Amino acid sequence: ETGVTQSPTHLIKTRGQQVTLRCSSQSGHNTVSWYQQALGQGPQFIFQYYREEENGRGNFPPRFSGLQFPNYSSELNVNALELDDSALYLCASSLYRGTQETQYFGPGTRLLVL
Amino acid sequence: GNSVTQMEGPVTLSEEAFLTINCTYTATGYPSLFWYVQYPGEGLQLLLKATKADDKGSNKGFEATYRKETTSFHLEKGSVQVSDSAVYFCALLIQGAQKLVFGQGTRLTINP
Repeated sequence: ETGVTQSPTHLIKTRGQQVTLRCSSQSGHNTVSWYQQALGQGPQFIFQYYREEENGRGNFPPRFSGLQFPNYSSELNVNALELDDSALYLCASSLYRGTQETQYFGPGTRLLVL
Repeated sequence: GNSVTQMEGPVTLSEEAFLTINCTYTATGYPSLFWYVQYPGEGLQLLLKATKADDKGSNKGFEATYRKETTSFHLEKGSVQVSDSAVYFCALLIQGAQKLVFGQGTRLTINP
């Protein structure tokens, strides 16, 4: 158990819809990162939030956006869903203290876009 | 750029066999290296890590040594169990960067 929780566990949406995924960080962690894992692939970095500000972004379009709240929980929002957005979405929390610490992952949200 | 290349899977072994999963990396800085494991239907669990050259990470009988000269971080276990069946991911993190860079994963199946 990493102490990182995600909701919902599974979600089905149709193309063009919007979705919000949620993540609760491990106690004491101030950084959250989001990853997309397509079937049979390794996770790909979407973005990271540190102290409520975006702190790095991968090669994902602007329709992928996020928020981090004062309690360090986080949301991932995806607008205008496409079929290729079907994947497992993982959040990872960590503690940044001048250097990047180990990232601990939640169980993921599996999104299916029809 | 930064990248991780893992041994192609799937790998199938018998219980109590010796396991090696190869991992090599390319990095522009000084990475920390990780092995994560993913059991069916679950997220990623940290298995072990090493933060500098010649460090050995170990956990649950698994070991990996950070080899800077060969840019490798191979995962080994002396005697595997059926419960070790999972997908294993090698990953790197560059200090000052934000993201983990993962390999493609290696699916391991252990038969009784």
